[in-house]
Amino acid sequence: EVQLVESGGGVVQPGGSLRLSCAASTFIFDDYTMHWVRQAPGKGLEWVSAITWDGGSTYYADSVKGRFTISRDNSKNSLYLQIKSLRTEDTALYYCTREDTGGSDAFDIWGQGTMVTVSS
Amino acid sequence: DIQLTQSPSFLSASVGDRVTITCRASQGVSSYLAWYQQKPGKAPKLLIYTASSLQSGVPSRFSGSGSGTEFTLTISSLQPEDFATYYCQQLNSYPQITFGGGTKVEIK
Repeated sequence: EVQLVESGGGVVQPGGSLRLSCAASTFIFDDYTMHWVRQAPGKGLEWVSAITWDGGSTYYADSVKGRFTISRDNSKNSLYLQIKSLRTEDTALYYCTREDTGGSDAFDIWGQGTMVTVSS
Repeated sequence: DIQLTQSPSFLSASVGDRVTITCRASQGVSSYLAWYQQKPGKAPKLLIYTASSLQSGVPSRFSGSGSGTEFTLTISSLQPEDFATYYCQQLNSYPQITFGGGTKVEIK
């Protein structure tokens, strides 16, 4: 089964840092652009960041630019999101998602999410 | 940034009803629009891409239409498993992707 599994979330104080991970399985990971999307409790979906298949291009929402860094290790079929200078408004469930690159270009596979809570 | 406005934000319907959800874009997005379904505690699921193409495995009672700035998602006959929140997403201004605010469909 095609699968994405996130990890690394937790409770962190404002100004703190975390590294989120996403492990991909049962598909050719380096064929796809990958994204992070987040959802604050009881709220809608917010696109956060994207990285092309080879890591050559990265993109960020204005709300996280300069604080978040997306990366990938294709040899480990893994996607990462380094998050720094955390703010209370970064509290959310963070989803790893696959863009159907060259197909629909929509987000066809999603992980179950990892929760980040920013609180003092 | 392109803003997406969904209406209604909440609707109450019965099993068997025909349901239509609208998504309006603040500027044209051509046909680069997708629809997702999200059930409580679950990740979103892709239903429709490029405005009207049905994702593999999605029941044919779901359909999408529109282009430019106005789009609709229609469920022809609402089933118990369709009670969920639905989101539209534009990919025209890729990579600055945006989602609509969501439409929650509840049982009347």
